[in-house]
Amino acid sequence: GAVVSQHPSRVICKSGTSVKIECRSLDFQATTMFWYRQFPKQSLMLMATSNEGSKATYEQGVEKDKFLINHASLTLSTLTVTSAHPEDSSFYICSAKDRRSSYEQYFGPGTRLTVT
Amino acid sequence: AQSVTQLDSQVPVFEEAPVELRCNYSSSVSVYLFWYVQYPNQGLQLLLKYLSGSTLVKSINGFEAEFNKSQTSFHLRKPSVHISDTAEYFCAVSGSNDYKLSFGAGTTVTVRA
Repeated sequence: GAVVSQHPSRVICKSGTSVKIECRSLDFQATTMFWYRQFPKQSLMLMATSNEGSKATYEQGVEKDKFLINHASLTLSTLTVTSAHPEDSSFYICSAKDRRSSYEQYFGPGTRLTVT
Repeated sequence: AQSVTQLDSQVPVFEEAPVELRCNYSSSVSVYLFWYVQYPNQGLQLLLKYLSGSTLVKSINGFEAEFNKSQTSFHLRKPSVHISDTAEYFCAVSGSNDYKLSFGAGTTVTVRA
């Protein structure tokens, strides 16, 4: 089946530094990838939609300068949290839409970010 | 825009008992409906989906859900649960013309022997 990986699975960084999270589709091409944020005991909140070769589309309330998204190839999207603060600590999940499917998204295992 | 309400945040259930997880949605357009399952320390996996056609959809591991347009619901059921069904279950909806998923808050199912 379709597999999406995320790296790293866990990261701890100091306040003010930046951290990059990678999302890869391992066995399919993904023209569209999505980045979600999940707070403890809460649902996934869509942050942005990442389209290969173009600028990401951010949801209302998500700072594009803080959460930089790059989708340079059909199998890789990156999320960079810039100048991280403790309130950015969260679980970040990506998903990838198979270009052959009109609806199905495959989810990565998530990245736990802790900002100290 | 669409939204999803999962009415039960936690559902404890004994092994081999039935379980129902409730999901209601709101949308001004036609929708696709999904149930995802998240096992501990794993990513979300698609459990089943409704796109069109038969309103009753089934998964390979015994779950089923029924799309009820008049009640705007997509409840998930399993007649007999296993310990391995312990997980977080998310109901999600997207418009039939876009890919964006809106998720419910999730229901934690804990199956006990």
